[in-house]
Amino acid sequence: GDSVTQMEGPVTLSEEAFLTINCTYTATGYPSLFWYVQYPGEGLQLLLKATKADDKGSNKGFEATYRKETTSFHLEKGSVQVSDSAVYFCALSHNNNDMRFGAGTRLTVKP
Amino acid sequence: KAGVTQTPRYLIKTRGQQVTLSCSPISGHRSVSWYQQTPGQGLQFLFEYFSETQRNKGNFPGRFSGRQFSNSRSEMNVSTLELGDSALYLCASSLETGGANVLTFGAGSRLTVL
Repeated sequence: GDSVTQMEGPVTLSEEAFLTINCTYTATGYPSLFWYVQYPGEGLQLLLKATKADDKGSNKGFEATYRKETTSFHLEKGSVQVSDSAVYFCALSHNNNDMRFGAGTRLTVKP
Repeated sequence: KAGVTQTPRYLIKTRGQQVTLSCSPISGHRSVSWYQQTPGQGLQFLFEYFSETQRNKGNFPGRFSGRQFSNSRSEMNVSTLELGDSALYLCASSLETGGANVLTFGAGSRLTVL
């Protein structure tokens, strides 16, 4: 069945460092891909999404490109801030709201 | 506009009891999905309701059930609670059902089973 694998955490970076969180998926057909972020004590919030191959999702300085050939959707940000500290989830869905999530990657940004 | 509201936020139950969790979706959203989040299993899909009908169901035992009302509010019920049911239960709503829909999540109901 469909599944998502993302890099193990935790990830600790200094402020203004470059961030990459790897995400690969296994799925039939062409799923939609998402990155969600979860801050402490809160639910998940959509960060960005892409619905077809070569689409680039972007939001708040974060970017991810839907790579069909490598089945990947890596999250990147050029300069992280302390406020970016959170847990990041990669996810996919097909034709329904049964969304498959990765295990989550905890990011801590230190000043 | 108001977000997805889940009640209660925290609750403690003992094994064998049953629990009902409530979710009020964003106004106008007709789809409500439920997820279980645990440190060991991560986020797992429970079920989705759309226009009062269950559209999809995850791989959970029959002790887990849900329903949706005509105003799109949803409840989920867990009967005969087990220790392993301790988790954060997240509700998410979307305008429609389908693959590219953005899910808006509530803050969750944290259930502890003793």
